[in-house]
Amino acid sequence: NAGVTQTPKFQVLKTGQSMTLQCAQDMNHEYMSWYRQDPGMGLRLIHYSVGAGITDQGEVPNGYNVSRSTTEDFPLRLLSAAPSQTSVYFCASSSGTGVGKVGEQFFGPGTRLTVL
Amino acid sequence: EDKVVQSPLSLVVHEGDTVTLNCSYEVTNFRSLLWYKQEKKAPTFLFMLTSSGIEKKSGRLSSILDKKELSSILNITATQTGDSAIYLCAVLRAGSYQLTFGKGTKLSVIP
Repeated sequence: NAGVTQTPKFQVLKTGQSMTLQCAQDMNHEYMSWYRQDPGMGLRLIHYSVGAGITDQGEVPNGYNVSRSTTEDFPLRLLSAAPSQTSVYFCASSSGTGVGKVGEQFFGPGTRLTVL
Repeated sequence: EDKVVQSPLSLVVHEGDTVTLNCSYEVTNFRSLLWYKQEKKAPTFLFMLTSSGIEKKSGRLSSILDKKELSSILNITATQTGDSAIYLCAVLRAGSYQLTFGKGTKLSVIP
């Protein structure tokens, strides 16, 4: 099992550009999520999904879109990049949507994004 | 709004020391508290504590949930340099799919 994979590892964008961060998992997990991590801020939830076709907003959703067409993939789209979106982005998944399962998340290696 | 506060923010100890990391929370309809370890890259899950499971132990790491004080501690005994990491605490509200994380405690273990 590859677990949770993310591409790219690093990305530099100019203000106003759009891009998609890719996330895939091969564990047949129902729950997937996107976080951003800024220095001294811990992890903040952007969007999450409890299954194919079902997504919802987290704490900091503005400027980001997601979709979940398959169980395996959960891409995160930046619509018009801003310097405030410079961050490290983590994708995570867990085996169930039951509350006891949501917390035990497996994280991908992260994408370091810089917006100039 | 759910709130998670970790202390201290950073800590430097020598190998062999015992450390205690703290996490306090304010959350409506608390369901569970989780601890993660983050080394250079992705966080990895350590423990989940709930009302029905307030103590967890794995090797030199242990954690206790104090429901009355709305807090948890993570203990690490006989620390090793490999324990150097950021330790993250998170809470989950009942009926929610959203984890709220604290800012983390950065632990540095020096030889």
